[in-house]
Amino acid sequence: AQTVTQSQPEMSVQEAETVTLSCTYDTSESNYYLFWYKQPPSRQMILVIRQEAYKQQNATENRFSVNFQKAAKSFSLKISDSQLGDTAMYFCAAGDAGNMLTFGGGTRLMVKP
Amino acid sequence: SQTIHQWPATLVQPVGSPLSLECTVEGTSNPNLYWYRQAAGRGLQLLFYSVGIGQISSEVPQNLSASRPQDRQFILSSKKLLLSDSGFYLCAWSSYTGLTYEQYFGPGTRLTVT
Repeated sequence: AQTVTQSQPEMSVQEAETVTLSCTYDTSESNYYLFWYKQPPSRQMILVIRQEAYKQQNATENRFSVNFQKAAKSFSLKISDSQLGDTAMYFCAAGDAGNMLTFGGGTRLMVKP
Repeated sequence: SQTIHQWPATLVQPVGSPLSLECTVEGTSNPNLYWYRQAAGRGLQLLFYSVGIGQISSEVPQNLSASRPQDRQFILSSKKLLLSDSGFYLCAWSSYTGLTYEQYFGPGTRLTVT
């Protein structure tokens, strides 16, 4: 069984600044993946970034990067040069070998002009 | 490339009426399919998942049911809707090979039960 916790219900950031969203997880799986999904006001769920648990190198996708601390079971998302289009709900998720995802409760991010 | 469709996009139904939401996937074979429900401002609740035609697993006991009549078609149904069935319903698919574990989501259906 897996659990995912996002402790920040809401956050805000000024346009062009950097923001970090926190996520902690717990799992009994030895092989797992971690994900960040973005849900803008349209409510379409969009995969932002993935991290393979067996890789030590932190994943990066353009302005999005993660800080994966396996021993601490922490998986934070850093958004650099925030843009108005980054305003959305962000969900952290853990995936297991059965293709099942466990989602956190989400963090609502507001980017202010 | 793979695409996932859901319809209808929006639905308003009276209490006690039946429900049928449809999800189809293109560009892949034998996907794992999932139905989620999301209340306003909340996280995702897994309702059903399927690893093949006719194979349905239920995560939450309720008055909803799911069926998979074809490889890339997943249907969510109810015989009699309750007020508590209102919400945003998302369909998702993942690769049956399970190489990377991520799921890809459809655009969702907003259901309001009145």
